Amino acid sequence: DIVMTQSPDSLAVSLGERATINCKSSQTVLHTSNNKNYVAWYQQKPGHPPKLLLYWASTRESGVPDRFSGSGSGTDFTLTISSLQAEDVAVYYCQQHYNIPRTFGQGTKVEIK
Amino acid sequence: EVQLVQSGGGLVKPGGSLRLSCAASGFSFNSYSMNWVRQAPGKGLEWVAYISASSGYIYYADSVKGRFTISRDNDKDSLFLQMNSLTTEDTGVYYCARDQGGNGRGGDDSWGRGTLVTVSS
Repeated sequence: DIVMTQSPDSLAVSLGERATINCKSSQTVLHTSNNKNYVAWYQQKPGHPPKLLLYWASTRESGVPDRFSGSGSGTDFTLTISSLQAEDVAVYYCQQHYNIPRTFGQGTKVEIK
Repeated sequence: EVQLVQSGGGLVKPGGSLRLSCAASGFSFNSYSMNWVRQAPGKGLEWVAYISASSGYIYYADSVKGRFTISRDNDKDSLFLQMNSLTTEDTGVYYCARDQGGNGRGGDDSWGRGTLVTVSS
């Protein structure tokens, strides 16, 4: 199984500042056939289901604000919120959709400083 | 509008059984693979099971293999999770989710609201 490890477990960022979350996979999630990294990022607010933000590591889902961006390749990935808004307070998860089982990171809680 | 409406959760004793349902609307259900994902109280997300669009491919997490059965009825646009031999470790919110993987995209783009399963004596 591919293990997804996120860091940090939590972070507090001032409004308007940048938030950065890292995710490391235990093996590559890069499909050489199409050169795509099979990592997705989700946002989950309390009492709500997860919401897909990004897939293929950096492709923004429709309707997701452009302050959310993803980068990385192979085994190391990053979710960046360029200018934190109050509504971005949530837990963020990375997930590999490279193979089965579809493993998630442990989650990163983002709060306002 | 894509909708996934879940039902079937509740309180069950250890060793008991429960069947979860997920009714889909607003899209061509028979064109999408589906997943079940669960979340124990205060914990992270755990993928549980996957079923391809035509039910030709089915996979389970090791933690539920042999006890849970995922199925679908494409004529009724519905997804199911039959859960047997439940233990307290199975307590949590269960989500059904639409998998974009077979449709030229990635990740799970639509989720049900979740249904709470509580296993307790």
